[in-house]
Amino acid sequence: GAGVSQTPSNKVTEKGKYVELRCDPISGHTALYWYRQSLGQGPEFLIYFQGTGAADDSGLPNDRFFAVRPEGSVSTLKIQRTERGDSAVYLCASSPGLNNYNEQFFGPGTRLTVL
Amino acid sequence: GQQVMQIPQYQHVQEGEDFTTYCNSSTTLSNIQWYKQRPGGHPVFLIQLVKSGEVKKQKRLTFQFGEAKKNSSLHITATQTTDVGTYFCAGVQWNRDDKIIFGKGTRLHILP
Repeated sequence: GAGVSQTPSNKVTEKGKYVELRCDPISGHTALYWYRQSLGQGPEFLIYFQGTGAADDSGLPNDRFFAVRPEGSVSTLKIQRTERGDSAVYLCASSPGLNNYNEQFFGPGTRLTVL
Repeated sequence: GQQVMQIPQYQHVQEGEDFTTYCNSSTTLSNIQWYKQRPGGHPVFLIQLVKSGEVKKQKRLTFQFGEAKKNSSLHITATQTTDVGTYFCAGVQWNRDDKIIFGKGTRLHILP
């Protein structure tokens, strides 16, 4: 069956620009997570949705980062006024069930490069 | 704040040798998950441990959760070239709104 998909696979932008990254979770998965992974590091938690609502957004680094999941399925991570330090692979994962006691299925990620 | 530490950061082993990576949390965990990420790939779930002292096996992989639920280990017996990748533990922090924190991973290289 279809796994988690993310678009675009690569995004190159200039400092100060706005970007949107999209995640299509596995159908029926209620939980959706965004992570950021820098080279040689583990995934860094950003935000967790349960259905349409952000259950935990404490990992968002600052107010330039925002994520939505309006219909409880597709999610968009939005980054305003991008900075070079935002360059990383942004991973999305989805999970069935209502809590973190389930395995997470990761998408292939979006590699963001801010010039 | 809470941390999940993994050691070693890198490990080179001869094919056929055993490999172990260790995960330690500064606080008690609700559960711990292990993931494998191949070079250029994304993390893939391996297993989840929930109970204190739990041991689970998957073929050549043995996973253990400590009695105090603050540490865990992954042991691979007789490594093969297909085991190459980075192994991450991910801990759910007790009473922390189920936030999941990944370790930095252990990168395994297999020498033929």
